[in-house]
Amino acid sequence: DTGVSQNPRHKITKRGQNVTFRCDPISEHNRLYWYRQTLGQGPEFLTYFQNEAQLEKSRLLSDRFSAERPKGSFSTLEIQRTEQGDSAMYLCASSLVLAGTNTGELFFGEGSRLTVL
Amino acid sequence: AQKITQTQPGMFVQEKEAVTLDCTYDTSDQSYGLFWYKQPSSGEMIFLIYQGSYDEQNATEGRYSLNFQKARKSANLVISASQLGDSAMYFCAMRDLPTSGTYKYIFGTGTRLKVLA
Repeated sequence: DTGVSQNPRHKITKRGQNVTFRCDPISEHNRLYWYRQTLGQGPEFLTYFQNEAQLEKSRLLSDRFSAERPKGSFSTLEIQRTEQGDSAMYLCASSLVLAGTNTGELFFGEGSRLTVL
Repeated sequence: AQKITQTQPGMFVQEKEAVTLDCTYDTSDQSYGLFWYKQPSSGEMIFLIYQGSYDEQNATEGRYSLNFQKARKSANLVISASQLGDSAMYFCAMRDLPTSGTYKYIFGTGTRLKVLA
C-alpha cells in the first residue's frame, strides 16, 4: 500500500526562478489538497481538486502559483518567479470522500521543502 | 469564516501521565468534522482521531480520546499514559460541509508537546 508521494523532497532555488512540485496521491482517493506550512505554524490551505477539477483556490495564492491535476491522477504545483517569502514546506494530501458520508481524513505526503535564496 | 484556535503553544507532561490539548473552533455550519493530527520532528502529518458534529459519543482511538463539547465549540485531545514518542506538534483541524458541498480542511497553529522522562 503506497501512501502519498511528493517530489522533490527538497528544492533550493534562486529568487526569480520557477519551481514545480509533484504529488502522487493514494490511487483510489478522489480529492487532492495542497497546503503550505512555515516553521512553527499550521498547514495553510492553498487549493484542492476533486478528480481533475480544481474546486477552490485560496485568496492567499497569488497569480504566480498554479496547480493542475490532469486526468485526476497526480498533481503539480508550480511557483513562477519565486520570492524569498515562498520558502516553506509544501504539503500534499489526499482523501476519499463518498457521497452521503462525513468522514474522509487527509493522508499527507512527506512534503516538499522549498528554500528560495 | 471558519476558524480553529489552539491557545497552548507548548505543553509539558510527565511520562505515563495524561495530558489535554485544547482546541476551539468557529463555524456556522451544522455538519462538520473535527480532526487531530500529530507531526513529529520528521515532518509527516499523522492522523490521530476524528469526531463528527453529529456523533453523540466522544471519539476514542487507543490512548487518544476527543473531548467534544459542541455547545462550547471545543474539541480537546486527551492523551492518556503519555510516552516519550508522543513528543511532537499536534494540530487540530476542521472540515466544513458548506451548502456547496465542498470540503475544505483548516488547521490551527498547533501545540508542541514535550514528554518528560
